This record gives sequence, structure tokens and C-alpha cells, in this order.
Amino acid sequence: KQEVTQIPAALSVPEGENLVLNCSFTDSAIYNLQWFRQDPGKGLTSLLLIQSSQREQTSGRLNASLDKSSGRSTLYIAASQPGDSATYLCADTTSGTYKYIFGTGTRLKVLA
Amino acid sequence: EPEVTQTPSHQVTQMGQEVILRCVPISNHLYFYWYRQILGQKVEFLVSFYNNEISEKSEIFDDQFSVERPDGSNFTLKIRSTKLEDSAMYFCASTGTVPYEQYFGPGTRLTVT
Repeated sequence: KQEVTQIPAALSVPEGENLVLNCSFTDSAIYNLQWFRQDPGKGLTSLLLIQSSQREQTSGRLNASLDKSSGRSTLYIAASQPGDSATYLCADTTSGTYKYIFGTGTRLKVLA
Repeated sequence: EPEVTQTPSHQVTQMGQEVILRCVPISNHLYFYWYRQILGQKVEFLVSFYNNEISEKSEIFDDQFSVERPDGSNFTLKIRSTKLEDSAMYFCASTGTVPYEQYFGPGTRLTVT
């Protein structure tokens, strides 16, 4: 059964710190992996999409990497800000299916 | 920039009532999806829809649920007889020209009392 796990479940850091969020997936036939941000009670904001042929994607202070052999993706946030406080979700989809499997998320709090 | 829209943003209904959640996917998209997120839990896949039929559904998507694309723009999720445990945020998504990248709507919060 395809599963996605995110560690840690919660993280609290001081402003300005660089941080890494982890996402592990069980199915090696991954097609793509997408990172989302979710504010409390709100919808899903897409951050980065990595296709299986890519190793990383960057957008501003965010960098996401994908290692299919180890079943891991990381989201790196540089110079964190209080406005980055949110829950970060990763989701993958595998060849032959169109559905996303979501992780449980990492709840990030950046302290001013 | 095109976006997926959903209405209503919040729906309150009584147990046993039928509800229809509406979505307008991005206009040139071909694949449509519904997901739900019970408060404090992970986002779960419900159903995918392509070429006017269901292409995949989860165990959650039982006979109480149905989907429809009644016209060229709307995509709906119907729950025939709501239960307390159907209370959740429901997200619609659609896929465009980048294979498998899904664009999500803002969600409809369904509260069943």
C-alpha cells in the first residue's frame, strides 16, 4: 500500500534559521512529488512540483529535492520568517494512477 | 491566472440530508478529482474523473457519493444522505497540461449536525 510519511510532525524554530522538512514515500514507481502549504482552516497552496526525471526544484527561498532510490524528498527553507508558519504537506503520485497520496504534514512555527 | 473555484465555501446541513458541492475546474483541464480532509487528519483521495466517467475511487467513495460533470464547466460531488462523519473540508482539483500536476480549489467546509 502506497504511504507517505512526514517527519517531524511539528517544528518550532527561531526566525532566520534554515530548516529541512522530510517526506518519505514507499512506492519507487513515483511519477511526481508535490509540496504544499496549508494555513489553518484554509486550502492547499502549491509550492513546488518535482517530476520523477528531476532531482530538485527551486522557488525563492524554497528548494525541494527528490531521491527515488531512497524514497525521500526534502523541502529546504532558507532564512525562515514568521510568515512561513503553516503546515507543509507533501503528496506523491505513481505511474498508472492519477491520485495523490498525502503525508500527514509538518506543522512549522517560526518564532519572531 | 486560471484557478479552480469551489462553492459554497461553507455548508451546514443536517444528518440525513443530501448535499451537492460544486467545483469549476480550470477550463482546458481534462482530469478532475475530489479529496477530503477531516479536521486534524491527512488529505484523502476520494475519486478521479475523466472523459465523463470515474477513473478511480477510494474505499471512502461508497454508494452515498456520486460525481457528475453536468455541463462543460461544473464538476459536482453529491452526498446522498449525510452522516456526522462526513464533516470535513472537501477539495476539488484538476489536471492540465503538465501531466499529473493537480491544481486545487480553496475547499468547501462541510459541517453535518
